[in-house]
Amino acid sequence: GENVEQHPSTLSVQEGDSAVIKCTYSDSASNYFPWYKQELGKRPQLIIDIRSNVGEKKDQRIAVTLNKTAKHFSLHITETQPEDSAVYFCAASYQAGTALIFGKGTTLSVSS
Amino acid sequence: SAVISQKPSRDICQRGTSLTIQCQVDSQVTMMFWYRQQPGQSLTLIATANQGSEATYESGFVIDKFPISRPNLTFSTLTVSNMSPEDSSIYLCSVGRGEGEQYFGPGTRLTVT
Repeated sequence: GENVEQHPSTLSVQEGDSAVIKCTYSDSASNYFPWYKQELGKRPQLIIDIRSNVGEKKDQRIAVTLNKTAKHFSLHITETQPEDSAVYFCAASYQAGTALIFGKGTTLSVSS
Repeated sequence: SAVISQKPSRDICQRGTSLTIQCQVDSQVTMMFWYRQQPGQSLTLIATANQGSEATYESGFVIDKFPISRPNLTFSTLTVSNMSPEDSSIYLCSVGRGEGEQYFGPGTRLTVT
């Protein structure tokens, strides 16, 4: 079955810096890769996703890149703000709307 | 996105007892899933709740321990049976629509004493 590795487990940045979180997946059949943000005590919130027919997707300060050959994808957050502090999870599935396999998460801390 | 509710939001239960968690969606959805999130950990898929048929369980999860029902396209239940302290966790349902994104319910925080 699918296995998703996520790095780093913790990331501390200064406000205004960029943050990058990387994930690798094992199953080449996976073709949907969402990212979730989970604040303390809250449910995971979908922040951005990418499908296998796209190499990069941006939404304001957030971008995701996908390298299908290398089987890895990354989340990029620019101009970080204290409210970006949260746990970020990457995930993979065979198609959008189907069961997700999650990475172990990255705790991002943005200090002002 | 769909509006998803779960009941109860939290509970404290005695070991050996069972708890049924409900997940209600405000519109029909194709897919419903149940995940577990142990304290400080990631999300682990328990099973896919199939409408009108038996749930599909992931490795390490069995129907006798986590029976699931899905009587229609807007509702599902997960029962945690014969609970032990190791079952203390947050249980989340999620929904997906065909080619669309997947969204999570608010979760049920279970503590087993």
